Order: sequence, then C-alpha cells, then structure tokens
Amino acid sequence: DGGITQSPKYLFRKEGQNVTLSCEQNLNHDAMYWYRQDPGQGLRLIYYSQIVNDFQKGDIAEGYSVSREKKESFPLTVTSAQKNPTAFYLCASSSGWTGVGQPQHFGDGTRLSIL
Amino acid sequence: RKEVEQDPGPFNVPEGATVAFNCTYSNSASQSFFWYRQDCRKEPKLLMSVYSSGNEDGRFTAQLNRASQYISLLIRDSKLSDSATYLCVVNPATASKLTFGTGTRLQVTL
Repeated sequence: DGGITQSPKYLFRKEGQNVTLSCEQNLNHDAMYWYRQDPGQGLRLIYYSQIVNDFQKGDIAEGYSVSREKKESFPLTVTSAQKNPTAFYLCASSSGWTGVGQPQHFGDGTRLSIL
Repeated sequence: RKEVEQDPGPFNVPEGATVAFNCTYSNSASQSFFWYRQDCRKEPKLLMSVYSSGNEDGRFTAQLNRASQYISLLIRDSKLSDSATYLCVVNPATASKLTFGTGTRLQVTL
C-alpha cells in the first residue's frame, strides 16, 4: 500500500531535549512538507523540500530543523530552542518537483507533548 | 486580511439537509484550490480539487468564483458521517506552498 508513514504516533519531550519525528513515503513524490497544528487552529508550514538535499523554511521554522538525504524520508527535529513544542505534527507529500497545483497527501501525524 | 478565510461554524444540520460553505482568498493570482476534510484528532484528507468550471463528486459540488475570490463546497443529502471540519486550501501562486484555512466545522444530526 502506498502512503506516508509518520512515527511515533505519540512523543513526549523533556525540557532541553531534542526529539526527531520520522516521515517516510513510498509514493515516489518529490515534494515533502512539515506542518504544525495547534488545537482549534489551522495548519502552519514549518519546512518543505522540493527535491533531495534541498529544503526551505516555511512560516514557523524557528526551533526546528530538517534533512532530506533520501527522496523517501524527511525527518523533523524539534530542538530545545522551540519553547512551545506541544502540537500535532503532520507530514505531507505531493508529486511534481514544485508541487504547484498538486494536492498534498498527509501522514496520520505525531502528537508531541512536554513532560 | 488573512490569506484564506472560512467561517469556523459549527454548522449544525439534520441528516438529509443540504449545506454550503464558502471560503474567501486574498491573492488574486492563486492558481489551485482544494477542499480537505479533517476528522477530530486525525490528519486532513483530500476531498476534492476545485476546477474553474466547477466540479461534482457524488453529493459534493465545488465551485470557484475568481472575480469575487471565493470557493464554495455544497453537500447534498448530508449523512452523519459527513460530520467533520472542512478545510479550504489555496495555492497562492508561490511554488510548493499551500495555504490552509482554519476550517469550517459541520455537525450532522439525526
């Protein structure tokens, strides 16, 4: 089955700790994205990548980092610099090198909370 | 002004009713438009793309009005399973970025 797999489903972070959220897709999509959703709010773009070894900051990149070493994988690290990390994190992908005009397909998300 | 604006609702409708949502967008150069559905505590799922000529998928009809910069979603014969939040999504002509509205919540009741 083709799709996007995010892990873990639930994650708890201690103060001062970096944590990494995994996102893997087998849809052969070029573009991948990370969003954050807070309760009752819309999705906000953290980072996106149009192609391997390249990525761009979204609207709220501070306190986060990403890498795109393989087409299938786009992990997100939530660093200790992100002071309010509690949120629902969603990874998405779309076909085409720019993603323009292409819908995005989502993984089932990771819920991150602070201990 | 927000790039994409939606009435948050909730829209409470009885089963079998017809309900319509509108969404306005600010960037007149926007190229692509979508409706997504998001169930509580789940990921958004693509419901349908919105084409210039309007398009229909079963009980769902989407329309685009470029002159007034809004898109609409019409749901006919509402089912209990249609209860969800409906997200309006716009590509603001910036490569690889979609802008999501905050969603309109629909509750279908018996």
